[in-house]
Amino acid sequence: QKEVEQNSGPLSVPEGAIASLNCTYSDRGSQSFFWYRQYSGKSPELIMFIYSNGDKEDGRFTAQLNKASQYVSLLIRDSQPSDSATYLCAVNWPGGGADGLTFGKGTHLIIQP
Amino acid sequence: NAGVTQTPKFRILKIGQSMTLQCTQDMNHNYMYWYRQDPGMGLKLIYYSVGAGITDKGEVPNGYNVSRSTTEDFPLRLELAAPSQTSVYFCASSYGKESEAFFGQGTRLTVV
Repeated sequence: QKEVEQNSGPLSVPEGAIASLNCTYSDRGSQSFFWYRQYSGKSPELIMFIYSNGDKEDGRFTAQLNKASQYVSLLIRDSQPSDSATYLCAVNWPGGGADGLTFGKGTHLIIQP
Repeated sequence: NAGVTQTPKFRILKIGQSMTLQCTQDMNHNYMYWYRQDPGMGLKLIYYSVGAGITDKGEVPNGYNVSRSTTEDFPLRLELAAPSQTSVYFCASSYGKESEAFFGQGTRLTVV
């Protein structure tokens, strides 16, 4: 069973603080991990992807991957009201088929001005 | 660049009607996907394709059909629409299995 788990929130964070979003997945063999941001009524857009254990930084965003713990997180530094959205964690499973990404239900993030 | 284009953006269907959701991409991606998203839920894979002429079922294929006659187009067919098919549908494409997926703007479908 392919499962990606996220806390649905809402997660409320003051403007300027660090927002921490977490995701766990069920298959230890998973190879690639993605964070998408989705504004209400819009389509998902890619924020970060990560393939290797450790941290990957891109501007205010840092993705962290721990394959041993089957855990991936997204940190947003200096949170802005425009960061308020639903953040979807997605995992690509190993195996021969394309299968697509399996998505978590998303965490609703609210940045309080 | 247009990316992934879906039509229509909105549609209301009566129970038992049929329709086709259109999806086209201009990025020459081999991989294409159809997802549905219900309120408060993540995206669930309906069907996917790894190239022209090749399609396969995803997690929730019942009530849907797809075809992939060209690299660019991946239409989703709903036969005998049911209220349970009320959802937002997203088409996506990617360069490879491990690559990021690019999404279309979505189709909001209501079945009444």
